[in-house]
Amino acid sequence: EDKVVQSPLSLVVHEGDTVTLNCSYEVTNFRSLLWYKQEKKAPTFLFMLTSSGIEKKSGRLSSILDKKELFSILNITATQTGDSAVYLCAVRDDKIIFGKGTRLHILP
Amino acid sequence: NAGVTQTPKFRVLKTGQSMTLLCAQDMNHEYMYWYRQDPGMGLRLIHYSVGEGTTAKGEVPDGYNVSRLKKQNFLLGLESAAPSQTSVYFCASSHQETQYFGPGTRLLVL
Repeated sequence: EDKVVQSPLSLVVHEGDTVTLNCSYEVTNFRSLLWYKQEKKAPTFLFMLTSSGIEKKSGRLSSILDKKELFSILNITATQTGDSAVYLCAVRDDKIIFGKGTRLHILP
Repeated sequence: NAGVTQTPKFRVLKTGQSMTLLCAQDMNHEYMYWYRQDPGMGLRLIHYSVGEGTTAKGEVPDGYNVSRLKKQNFLLGLESAAPSQTSVYFCASSHQETQYFGPGTRLLVL
């Protein structure tokens, strides 16, 4: 059965800290791994990863994929209160399956 | 472009009633998806479609039906609503692996 597992489920840190969110997966026919940020409404796209070892970066956010060990991490450096959200990992084979998300709360 | 739109935004149903949720996209995407999101459960795939006239079951298809008669529209039907179907429903479409979400429909079944 295809599955996507995220950890931790929730995380509380202080502003300025660095956080690492984890996503492991088991799918039959892997095509890509996607990261999303969800605040109050619909998820918004962050990254798509298809190749191992190539870091994707956008400002203070970065992500990398390990296709051998079947996991990805999302790093956020110098966190800000605006980073508070649920971060979702999803994996695509012939469909897109989501993990349960990591709820991140940044304390001022 | 409007992107992905969903109607209605909010609906209250009584147990046993039926309704259809409409998802529309104007980006000419082949793939479309219906998810439900419940507290602590993340996004769970109900049904999806890889093109006009085709549909497939996701993780939690029971109690729902879908149709994709036109490429731009993906309908989600509840024939006999149950309280367990109280949820937020998201539609999405995708192109080259990037997925775009609609704003969601909040459904309450009493």
